[in-house]
Amino acid sequence: DGGITQSPKYLFRKEGQNVTLSCEQNLNHDAMYWYRQDPGQGLRLIYYSQIVNDFQKGDIAEGYSVSREKKESFPLTVTSAQKNPTAFYLCASSTGGAAYNEQFFGPGTRLTVL
Amino acid sequence: QKEVEQNSGPLSVPEGAIASLNCTYSDRGSQSFFWYRQYSGKSPELIMSIYSNGDKEDGRFTAQLNKASQYVSLLIRDSQPSDSATYLCAVNIRPMNRDDKIIFGKGTRLHILP
Repeated sequence: DGGITQSPKYLFRKEGQNVTLSCEQNLNHDAMYWYRQDPGQGLRLIYYSQIVNDFQKGDIAEGYSVSREKKESFPLTVTSAQKNPTAFYLCASSTGGAAYNEQFFGPGTRLTVL
Repeated sequence: QKEVEQNSGPLSVPEGAIASLNCTYSDRGSQSFFWYRQYSGKSPELIMSIYSNGDKEDGRFTAQLNKASQYVSLLIRDSQPSDSATYLCAVNIRPMNRDDKIIFGKGTRLHILP
């Protein structure tokens, strides 16, 4: 089955730790995205990548880092510099990076800082 | 100025009736419009995309776009309890000298009354 997978589903982090969230897709999509969702809020774009080995900052990139070494994979690292990381993290992909392309979401990772 | 606005709800609709969800946007240059459904604790699921003025129908769902008035709506006919969810409106915007991007509204909570 084609789709987007994210792992883990739940993640707990101690303050000062870096954690990495996994996102994999087998849809052969070129573009991938990371969003953050807080309760009662819309999705906010963290980083996006339109092609392998290239990525761009979104609206709230501070305290996060990404890599895009393979077309299928776009991991997100939440660093200790991110002051309020507790949130629902969503990975998405689309056939191309243009804004008219439909984005499809993975199941999400819920991160909690202890 | 908020870029994509939705009434947060909750919008309560009797089972079998038509649910009408509205979204307004600020960028007159927007070209792509999307509706997502998000169940509590889950990731958004794409329901409809619309790019031209007028109506687009898909089963019980109809998206309506009016670019002159800068609004897009989603109608759900024969509402079912399983339609109870938060509906996110997403619109592309074109910031000056930057890539197009998709902006999500905060969503409208829909509750179908059995």
